[in-house]
Amino acid sequence: GAVVSQHPSWVICKSGTSVKIECRSLDFQATTMFWYRQFPKQSLMLMATSNEGSKATYEQGVEKDKFLINHASLTLSTLTVTSAHPEDSSFYICSASWYNEQFFGPGTRLTVL
Amino acid sequence: EDKVVQSPLSLVVHEGDTVTLNCSYEVTNFRSLLWYKQEKKAPTFLFMLTSSGIEKKSGRLSSILDKKELSSILNITATQTGDSAIYLCAAYMNRDDKIIFGKGTRLHILP
Repeated sequence: GAVVSQHPSWVICKSGTSVKIECRSLDFQATTMFWYRQFPKQSLMLMATSNEGSKATYEQGVEKDKFLINHASLTLSTLTVTSAHPEDSSFYICSASWYNEQFFGPGTRLTVL
Repeated sequence: EDKVVQSPLSLVVHEGDTVTLNCSYEVTNFRSLLWYKQEKKAPTFLFMLTSSGIEKKSGRLSSILDKKELSSILNITATQTGDSAIYLCAAYMNRDDKIIFGKGTRLHILP
């Protein structure tokens, strides 16, 4: 089956620093990957659609300058949270499309102190 | 605005009971309806429903889609404590392959 990995699985950082989260499709190529955010006791909210070789498409209300997305290859998309603040603390999950199905990564828990 | 609504938001039942979780959707370019189970980490896939009226089953779980009513239900029979989780319903859209999630139903099974 299709496997999506994320790295790191958890990260703690100081306020004002930047954090990069990687999303990899391990055994398939994904032209499109998606980034979600989930706050405690809330559902997944789509942040952006990451397209290989082109700019990401952000959902309304998501700051593109704060959440930088790079999809440089068919197996890797990265999300960089710039100048992180405590309110950015959340569970970040990526998914990748393959044959009309979506496969989710295990998620990255970000805590900003 | 595209949206997916789930009910109830939380549910507590005793082991052995049967539960029915509801999901309704209003989205453009609907492709299919997805159900996921989420415990501590990322959601795990349960069902994808594309055709109306065809029940999908996996063990004690089953689900069906009603495209006329723009809704779906997820049934769990003979519940076990291991079924305690958040159950997420999502609409998979043709446009850009997007998925819109509902808020989820938090199910707790008492022993």
